[in-house]
Amino acid sequence: EDQVTQSPEALRLQEGESSSLNCSYTVSGLRGLFWYRQDPGKGPEFLFTLYSAGEEKEKERLKATLTKKESFLHITAPKPEDSATYLCAVQVGQAGTALIFGKGTTLSVSS
Amino acid sequence: ETGVTQSPTHLIKTRGQQVTLRCSSQSGHNTVSWYQQALGQGPQFIFQYYREEENGRGNFPPRFSGLQFPNYSSELNVNALELDDSALYLCASSPGRYSGAQYFGPGTRLTVL
Repeated sequence: EDQVTQSPEALRLQEGESSSLNCSYTVSGLRGLFWYRQDPGKGPEFLFTLYSAGEEKEKERLKATLTKKESFLHITAPKPEDSATYLCAVQVGQAGTALIFGKGTTLSVSS
Repeated sequence: ETGVTQSPTHLIKTRGQQVTLRCSSQSGHNTVSWYQQALGQGPQFIFQYYREEENGRGNFPPRFSGLQFPNYSSELNVNALELDDSALYLCASSPGRYSGAQYFGPGTRLTVL
């Protein structure tokens, strides 16, 4: 069964304290891995798509990387406005349509 | 460019009732997917519509049904509501069936009493 696991469930950081979020997956035929940010009560906001091992994408203080078994979302010098739930999702199979999501990591950054 | 919109924002129903949720896709997108997100969980795939045809379905019972219209907007219908149907319902649009990134709307919060 295709599965996505995110860790940790929750992460508290001080402003400027860099860290990484992990997304591990066991799937048959990965077509793409996606990172989203979700604020409370709102829909997920698309951040990155990664397609192959070794690929990296960056946006402001965020950098996503992909290996054959996991992805990392690195947050460099976070600010309070980076506080949100970060969701990882995979698209699988030859005719993949659905995104399979992990439960997310809730990040809190305090000043 | 207009993003994905959903209506209504919030909805309260009682067990056994029926509900219809609506979604307008982002301009230029012909594919709409629906997800259910329970509190503290990641979104779960309900189904996807591509050019008015169902293009994939998750593990949800037949009382969850949908439609897509010629302008690519979509509806999610849920019959015989159960308490466990209380969740945030998310609509996402994408430029094609197998296009990677899906762009989400703000969601409809459904409460079943």
